[in-house]
Amino acid sequence: EVQLVESGGGLVQPGGSLRLSCAASGFTFSSYWLTWVRQAAGKGLEWVANIKQDGSEKYYVDSVKGRFTISRDNAKNSLYLQMNSLRVEDTALYYCARDVGYSDSSGFHRYGMDVWGQGTTVTVS
Amino acid sequence: DFVMTQSPDSLAVSLGARATINCKSSQSVLYSSNNKNYLTWYQQKPGQPPKLLIYWASTRESGVPDRFSGSGSGTDFTLTISSLQAEDVAVYYCQQYYTTPKTFGQGTKVEIK
Repeated sequence: EVQLVESGGGLVQPGGSLRLSCAASGFTFSSYWLTWVRQAAGKGLEWVANIKQDGSEKYYVDSVKGRFTISRDNAKNSLYLQMNSLRVEDTALYYCARDVGYSDSSGFHRYGMDVWGQGTTVTVS
Repeated sequence: DFVMTQSPDSLAVSLGARATINCKSSQSVLYSSNNKNYLTWYQQKPGQPPKLLIYWASTRESGVPDRFSGSGSGTDFTLTISSLQAEDVAVYYCQQYYTTPKTFGQGTKVEIK
């Protein structure tokens, strides 16, 4: 079964740090871009960061640049999100998700996220 | 950043009736090299992660019922549920996959009237 399982959430004070993990199974982890998406309670979805298959490219939403670091360990089938200098507004349910796409003559085109974990809750207070 | 704006924020539709959700992007998400619109729709039911419904604006993900359809191009898109079922009660999000950050719309809550 294709699966993503997040862990590492918890309660942290403003200014503190937390490291989220996402364990993958059931697919070839190293073949996919991976993404972190967050959702504050009762609010919408916010794309946070993503990382290329080999870790050579990483992108972040402006609000977390310089504070969060996305990384992966393909040998361990794991994705991470190191969160430093946490703010109250970072409080949310954090999902990891697998990007899906296709290849053609012009390159690889990702078009969505087809596998999601259940999320891990981060509370900054 | 691309701003995605959905309308309405919520709607109540009778069982069996049509539900229509709009999504407008602040910039075109049409990729010229392959003529595809990088606009994706998700469904999120309470207590669950989002589920990929439609990509490239109009292509249904495998297993998605054909009562769900997407249309539009450039900056204006629509998700239509042709005959609302009880299990379709959810929040629906559009997302642009054209560029980073891959922004979402604010969501549209669909309920039964």
